[in-house]
Amino acid sequence: GNSVTQMEGPVTLSEEAFLTINCTYTATGYPSLFWYVQYPGEGLQLLLKATKADDKGSNKGFEATYRKETTSFHLEKGSVQVSDSAVYFCALDRGSTLGRLYFGRGTQLTVWP
Amino acid sequence: GAVVSQHPSWVICKSGTSVKIECRSLDFQATTMFWYRQFPKQSLMLMATSNEGSKATYEQGVEKDKFLINHASLTLSTLTVTSAHPEDSSFYICSAPGLPAYEQYFGPGTRLTVT
Repeated sequence: GNSVTQMEGPVTLSEEAFLTINCTYTATGYPSLFWYVQYPGEGLQLLLKATKADDKGSNKGFEATYRKETTSFHLEKGSVQVSDSAVYFCALDRGSTLGRLYFGRGTQLTVWP
Repeated sequence: GAVVSQHPSWVICKSGTSVKIECRSLDFQATTMFWYRQFPKQSLMLMATSNEGSKATYEQGVEKDKFLINHASLTLSTLTVTSAHPEDSSFYICSAPGLPAYEQYFGPGTRLTVT
């Protein structure tokens, strides 16, 4: 089946610290992989994506590389800011045209000044 | 960018009553919308796929007679929780695909509390 496993939170960091949130997946076929972010009181927003193996998605200083050999898509940022505090969701699309997504359980990130 | 709204953002209802949640795409048309349920500290679980002009497709284990979905127009889908019980209390989120379809636009969610 299709599933996403995401590291449990919460994650608490000081400003300018390095961030890694682990994500691994199980999927049939060749899925696309995503990171979504949910800021307090807002809907989920697409943060970055990778549609094939070895692709690197990047946005707002965040990066994630689609690793088919390890079935992983870990999220990283070199220097986090207080404004990065949010819940981060890893997700996959198994390739259907409907856009059906499978989500990990989310990781709460809190960054302290 | 594209915006999806939900109404209400928060609702409290008594056990046994029904409550309707609206999901609207504000500046684009959506022939398909998705309804998710999110429990505290857990993932978003897809409940059903709402299809304009046809019946919704429900995920396994979701009671279609309890969670009624109507995709009334190209910009509106509604989820009605019928005969609500406290265990239906949750956070309900809708989304609509953009172009490409994986570019999903999410509503801000509706918090339902059943007393």
